[in-house]
Amino acid sequence: AQKVTQAQTEISVVEKEDVTLDCVYETRDTTYYLFWYKQPPSGELVFLIRRNSFDEQNEISGRYSWNFQKSTSSFNFTITASQVVDSAVYFCALSEAVQGGSEKLVFGKGTKLTVNP
Amino acid sequence: DTGVSQDPRHKITKRGQNVTFRCDPISEHNRLYWYRQTLGQGPEFLTYFQNEAQLEKSRLLSDRFSAERPKGSFSTLEIQRTEQGDSAMYLCASSLFGGAGETQYFGPGTRLLVL
Repeated sequence: AQKVTQAQTEISVVEKEDVTLDCVYETRDTTYYLFWYKQPPSGELVFLIRRNSFDEQNEISGRYSWNFQKSTSSFNFTITASQVVDSAVYFCALSEAVQGGSEKLVFGKGTKLTVNP
Repeated sequence: DTGVSQDPRHKITKRGQNVTFRCDPISEHNRLYWYRQTLGQGPEFLTYFQNEAQLEKSRLLSDRFSAERPKGSFSTLEIQRTEQGDSAMYLCASSLFGGAGETQYFGPGTRLLVL
């Protein structure tokens, strides 16, 4: 069975600090996708990134970066120079990859990030 | 360019009543997913459709729950004889299966409170 663990329930930082959100996953699938979503207080899940299991290159998008390590089954997310607008709950998710796309998402319990001014 | 929309955004009902939620996916998307999210938890998969065909249902989806996507466009999720344990956020997502890579885009959710 697939499982996603986000061990950090809540993190609080001061603006401009860097913060890393941890994600560890379990799967028996040989090909899969990993995702990060952001859920601000309004409630809507906002897609941040999708990573294929064959692609272990790290990715950077502005202040966001992701570190995928297959050897440790981890897909960690770092926010550099955090801002108050980054305050939200962040979810890591996993899905089996099939020809043409993926299947249902299995989510972790989320990490609530609070960035204080 | 419109995203996924859900209606209503909030619903308060009394135990034992039936409720129905609607989801309108992104227009060109062929897959539609329903998830449920309770307080402090991540979303949990309920069911999904490819076009009008319902391909998978979770064990979470008891026989009081039914979902349809009659013309492969919008979908409805009905809960009959609601119970207090049904109180949750119901999220809909859509995606394009068969493209360059599938990403699920979520709607704003319907928050249900059963009294």
